[in-house]
Amino acid sequence: TQLLEQSPQFLSIQEGENLTVYCNSSSVFSSLQWYRQEPGEGPVLLVTVVTGGEVKKLKRLTFQFGDARKDSSLHITAAQPGDTGLYLCAARNSGGSNYKLTFGKGTLLTVNP
Amino acid sequence: DVKVTQSSRYLVKRTGEKVFLECVQDMDHENMFWYRQDPGLGLRLIYFSYDVKMKEKGDIPEGYSVSREKKERFSLILESASTNQTSMYLCASRRAGAYTGELFFGEGSRLTVL
Repeated sequence: TQLLEQSPQFLSIQEGENLTVYCNSSSVFSSLQWYRQEPGEGPVLLVTVVTGGEVKKLKRLTFQFGDARKDSSLHITAAQPGDTGLYLCAARNSGGSNYKLTFGKGTLLTVNP
Repeated sequence: DVKVTQSSRYLVKRTGEKVFLECVQDMDHENMFWYRQDPGLGLRLIYFSYDVKMKEKGDIPEGYSVSREKKERFSLILESASTNQTSMYLCASRRAGAYTGELFFGEGSRLTVL
């Protein structure tokens, strides 16, 4: 089973600060997704990246897929309390089952007003 | 909007009881999944089903079974609940062939086994 390592595990920041969350593996991903999970809810998809070097922006969130497709980052600019939640990366590795998505352990972000 | 509905948000059961967790999706998705989520361990795949009556083991199938008799419904069964099965259980669905597509999750079922 592919191992996805997320860092940091916990992050507590003040409103307006910037932050970056990382997702790494020793395996090559065929695709990678980022989800956000709010308390009491299921995870919700933020973005899917497929191409090495790809950068996608979603308002104040910037997602990057590494050139070698082994790592990804999520950068949030000027964080707001509404960004609070558990951020999960999930990947399907090259040559793996088409159905199976492996999740990282998540980064729990708290943005304080 | 896609909706994945899990029958119970909170359950409390005793060791040895049989537990059924039901999941229904309304978007005609072929693929359905059961995950459990534990602090510090993330989401781990228990079972998945790529079509009606089809099922495959995930990473942690021991102690669980599943049933997919109808396309919209995927049930997770704990034949004899144990305390180490206390967890948050998440059901998800996805359109067939959409391997980079979105997983739609239910709100979760928090199971406590005493």
